[in-house]
Amino acid sequence: GQQVMQIPQYQHVQEGEDFTTYCNSSTTLSNIQWYKQRPGGHPVFLIQLVKSGEVKKQKRLTFQFGEAKKNSSLHITATQTTDVGTYFCAGWSSSNTGKLIFGQGTTLQVKP
Amino acid sequence: DGGITQSPKYLFRKEGQNVTLSCEQNLNHDAMYWYRQDPGQGLRLIYYSQIVNDFQKGDIAEGYSVSREKKESFPLTVTSAQKNPTAFYLCASTSDPRARDQPQHFGDGTRLSIL
Repeated sequence: GQQVMQIPQYQHVQEGEDFTTYCNSSTTLSNIQWYKQRPGGHPVFLIQLVKSGEVKKQKRLTFQFGEAKKNSSLHITATQTTDVGTYFCAGWSSSNTGKLIFGQGTTLQVKP
Repeated sequence: DGGITQSPKYLFRKEGQNVTLSCEQNLNHDAMYWYRQDPGQGLRLIYYSQIVNDFQKGDIAEGYSVSREKKESFPLTVTSAQKNPTAFYLCASTSDPRARDQPQHFGDGTRLSIL
């Protein structure tokens, strides 16, 4: 079945360092969404990318959607302790079953 | 404020007992979802419903049951057949899953443990 894979699973950085998580789908996606889950919290929608090669920025966060619409990345510049959490990418099932397929997530720890 | 309300926040289950987790939304969303999250793991889909009186199994439906009698409500029952129920359960909703461009909104979750 359709899969969405994320790497790395965990990342520890020193505050101020950059961080990147990568997302790869086994099939072409119509769009990709990114969510953030703080420790003890629930996932919160961050952004959606739709167009091939699209790049969007939210302050220190940069999101990219690959040209083939099968991969995506989230890059955080100069991490802060408030960036701690798990970042998930997700794509809607290509078989139109109404399912959103989530990646396994990347958990970011930031050392002050 | 519109949102998703899950209750209870914490739940303990005895051996052989069925327990029901509540999920209510006032967002007027068509679709609702239940996910299970284990420590350090991603989200696994248990059941989902795109419309009232209809629902589909997700990837890990065994040992769980749901109903969708009202648009606002999508309760999840963890049956005694689910031998390893300890996890964090998240309910989510989306306005129109057929559009395939809507975000999912999540409740605060229920933490279920075995006594």
